[in-house]
Amino acid sequence: AQKITQTQPGMFVQEKEAVTLDCTYDTSDQSYGLFWYKQPSSGEMIFLIYQGSYDEQNATEGRYSLNFQKARKSANLVISASQLGDSAMYFCAMRADFGNEKLTFGTGTRLTIIP
Amino acid sequence: NAGVTQTPKFQVLKTGQSMTLQCAQDMNHEYMSWYRQDPGMGLRLIHYSVGAGITDQGEVPNGYNVSRSTTEDFPLRLLSAAPSQTSVYFCASSYLGRAQASYEQYFGPGTRLTVT
Repeated sequence: AQKITQTQPGMFVQEKEAVTLDCTYDTSDQSYGLFWYKQPSSGEMIFLIYQGSYDEQNATEGRYSLNFQKARKSANLVISASQLGDSAMYFCAMRADFGNEKLTFGTGTRLTIIP
Repeated sequence: NAGVTQTPKFQVLKTGQSMTLQCAQDMNHEYMSWYRQDPGMGLRLIHYSVGAGITDQGEVPNGYNVSRSTTEDFPLRLLSAAPSQTSVYFCASSYLGRAQASYEQYFGPGTRLTVT
């Protein structure tokens, strides 16, 4: 069974600072995918970034990067130069291999950016 | 493309009533799924489908039924609503493939359901 752990229920960060949201995972699969989603107060789920377990380089998408440490089973999201619009819930999720599209989600981290 | 659409956006039910949450996608995705979101628990998978005529249970299937007669539609039925089913429900869809592919699941806007 797969499990995602997000140990930070809430974080407060000063605007323009970088922020790291923690995510650790547990799986016995060798091939898997890791995702981060953002959920603003309006409620929709917004895909941010993806990392495959065989990817040798950390994924990056604009101000988002994924710090992937396979041996430690961690997939932390790094947001550079935070903005007020980054205030939201952030979810880490995992997808297994072999056509199994089921996503396992963590409990989320509520990020608040302070002006 | 409308993406993933869900209706209704809000619903209030009395205990014991039944209803169907509608979900449709226009991206020709094989995979569709329903999640519920409760405070402090993230999103949990209720049911999913890998194609028309094929459905399976997720983590929390009790009290819910699904069917998939077309690629586009994946309705979720609450058979006899209970207060424990008060939640926000999300429908999602994606292509089928391997974990190393970078396609994501697309989520609908959600349905906020209250059972009194």
